Amino acid sequence: DGGITQSPKYLFRKEGQNVTLSCEQNLNHDAMYWYRQDPGQGLRLIYYSQIVNDFQKGDIAEGYSVSREKKESFPLTVTSAQKNPTAFYLCAVSTGGDTEAFFGQGTRLTVV
Amino acid sequence: SQQGEEDPQALSIQEGENATMNCSYKTSINNLQWYRQNSGRGLVHLILIRSNEREKHSGRLRVTLDTSKKSSSLLITASRAADTASYFCATDAGGADGLTFGKGTHLIIQP
Repeated sequence: DGGITQSPKYLFRKEGQNVTLSCEQNLNHDAMYWYRQDPGQGLRLIYYSQIVNDFQKGDIAEGYSVSREKKESFPLTVTSAQKNPTAFYLCAVSTGGDTEAFFGQGTRLTVV
Repeated sequence: SQQGEEDPQALSIQEGENATMNCSYKTSINNLQWYRQNSGRGLVHLILIRSNEREKHSGRLRVTLDTSKKSSSLLITASRAADTASYFCATDAGGADGLTFGKGTHLIIQP
């Protein structure tokens, strides 16, 4: 929040479609993260990036892809290979060091 | 993998009472953080405690850390209805992959 913008807030996907979730930040932080949250659950790491043009898989990367062409932007694509994509997706940024993370307001993705 | 585990999973108390939530984790950490999440919203950072610290205060929040037991507690004093939310602990082991979150404690403050 306050410098991290996720869009859209709600997204509906048909079976077999790819969709892209946007995450933009103006905090000038190097590290960016994508998490997935299922009802009543904690956050699970999908992908993270410490620097432009570099990113790493998290614990549940299968069926997702990312890019980091600009420091400010870290879009997440949910591909048709992700069989259970309905969830709440959260983007976070940090300085990458021994500090807190800042979160966007999330995107709720629903498969219809 | 989820490192932290909060206890209890849900807690309901009367306004004005104190709320205590606990977090246990498995591996060595650099710091442990607590976050709050209102329903359908992003997480908001509350407090960070480093591995060489034992206790930290911020307003009505008090956090303790016991690295020998790999556990932490969050105390919210004089609770208010606005404190109703889910609270998550997150551990930072110093890796590039950032924080690892528990499943959270859902706190309900009854007016």
